[in-house]
Amino acid sequence: DQQVKQNSPSLSVQEGRISILNCDYTNSMFDYFLWYKKYPAEGPTFLISISSIKDKNEDGRFTVFLNKSAKHLSLHIVPSQPGDSAVYFCAASEVSGNTPLVFGKGTRLSVIA
Amino acid sequence: ETGVTQTPRHLVMGMTNKKSLKCEQHLGHNAMYWYKQSAKKPLELMFVYNFKEQTENNSVPSRFSPECPNSSHLFLHLHTLQPEDSALYLCASSRRLAGGSQFFGPGTRLTVL
Repeated sequence: DQQVKQNSPSLSVQEGRISILNCDYTNSMFDYFLWYKKYPAEGPTFLISISSIKDKNEDGRFTVFLNKSAKHLSLHIVPSQPGDSAVYFCAASEVSGNTPLVFGKGTRLSVIA
Repeated sequence: ETGVTQTPRHLVMGMTNKKSLKCEQHLGHNAMYWYKQSAKKPLELMFVYNFKEQTENNSVPSRFSPECPNSSHLFLHLHTLQPEDSALYLCASSRRLAGGSQFFGPGTRLTVL
C-alpha cells in the first residue's frame, strides 16, 4: 500500500508559468514533508520541506502548501524555468517515529521554452 | 557538493563478477541508506543502517550484501548479479532515522552484462 502518492507521472508547463505538483498521503502520523528534485543520472537533491504545524513554506520561487485535513501537499514553482525540468519526489516522515522517509513515485516536470 | 560521495560513478560487470560500491559521508550523520532506481521506476529503498546497525532490509536478494563498518562508510557488495539488476544505485544519509531530510550521493550507474 502506497503511503505517499504522486498521481501525475508527468507535467508540462510553459516557461514563465506556474508549475503545480501534487502529493497525497495516507498515514495520518506523518508530520514532516519534503520535496526533492532529481536530474537524470544524479542523486535527488533536497528542495524544500514543511512541518505539519505550518500550512505554507516559501523559498524563492518554490512554495509548498500543506492541507492536513485533506492529507495533501503541493509544490508551486513560479515562474517556471527550463532548468526546473526534472523529476520531483514528494517524501513524508513521522518525526518522532523510527522509520525512514517514505517517497512517492515522482512527477516528471518539463518546462517548455 | 552534498557531502555524500559514491564510488565508482559507473560500473560494468559480468554476471559472475564480484564488485563493491562504496559510499562515504562526512556530515556527521548517523543513518545511511541504499536505494535502487531502475529506469522509469520509483526509488526503491534497499537497506537502512542506523548507528551502524541494519534496521531495514526490504526483501533484497542475497546477491546484494551491505556492510556498514562505521557511521561514515557504507558498502554494497555485489555478486552473481542479473541483467535486471542494472540500475542507478543511490546512497543517502541523514542525521537521524526519522523526521529529517536525507542527503543523497550522485549514485553509481551499474550495468550487468
